[in-house]
Amino acid sequence: EIVMTQSPATLSVSPGERATLSCRASQSISSNLAWYQQKPGQAPRLLIFGASTRATGIPARFSGSGSGTEFTLTISSLQSEDFALYYCQQYNNWPRTFGQGTRVEIK
Amino acid sequence: EVQLVESGGGLVQPGGSLRLSCAASGFPVGSNSMTWVRQAPGKGLEWVSIIYSGGNTYYADSVKGRFTISRDSSKNTLYLQMNSLRAEDTALYFCARTEPPTIPNWFDPWGQGTLVTVSS
Repeated sequence: EIVMTQSPATLSVSPGERATLSCRASQSISSNLAWYQQKPGQAPRLLIFGASTRATGIPARFSGSGSGTEFTLTISSLQSEDFALYYCQQYNNWPRTFGQGTRVEIK
Repeated sequence: EVQLVESGGGLVQPGGSLRLSCAASGFPVGSNSMTWVRQAPGKGLEWVSIIYSGGNTYYADSVKGRFTISRDSSKNTLYLQMNSLRAEDTALYFCARTEPPTIPNWFDPWGQGTLVTVSS
């Protein structure tokens, strides 16, 4: 099973600032990575697939990068609605596995 | 509009059974692979099971032999039959469509979830 490790666990950022979230895979997953956003009491929402392709309707301030074992989700200028939990998920191998999440909170 | 609505969760005793449903609208469940993902209270996401568009099914080791995924195309509904439930199965259960349609890679969209509590 591929283990996905996200860092940091919590990221404190001021509105308007840039947020950089990391996700590391225990073995190479090529670009087979997705990112999701989850707000309290809501279902996860797909943000990014293929490590860097934004899903339909996702604002351009969200960008993904990386390949192999190291990946990054960048939110260029945090808006109030972006404070949430973020998960990465690999789909290179079965079982599909998620990181433990990074909480982005208001500084 | 593509939408998924789960139901069937509740309180059940250890060893008991429960069947979750996921009613889909806006697309045919039989033409997509569909999956269940769960989230224990205060915890992260754990993939549970998948049914391919072709009908093959797969399970996480933690539920293999106890859970069964199925679908009814006439009702456009996905199911998860859960037997021999344990305390560690307590979680919010989400259904999701997988994308691309025949290659279950990422999950989009997700339903709002249904809560399963296993406790005596």
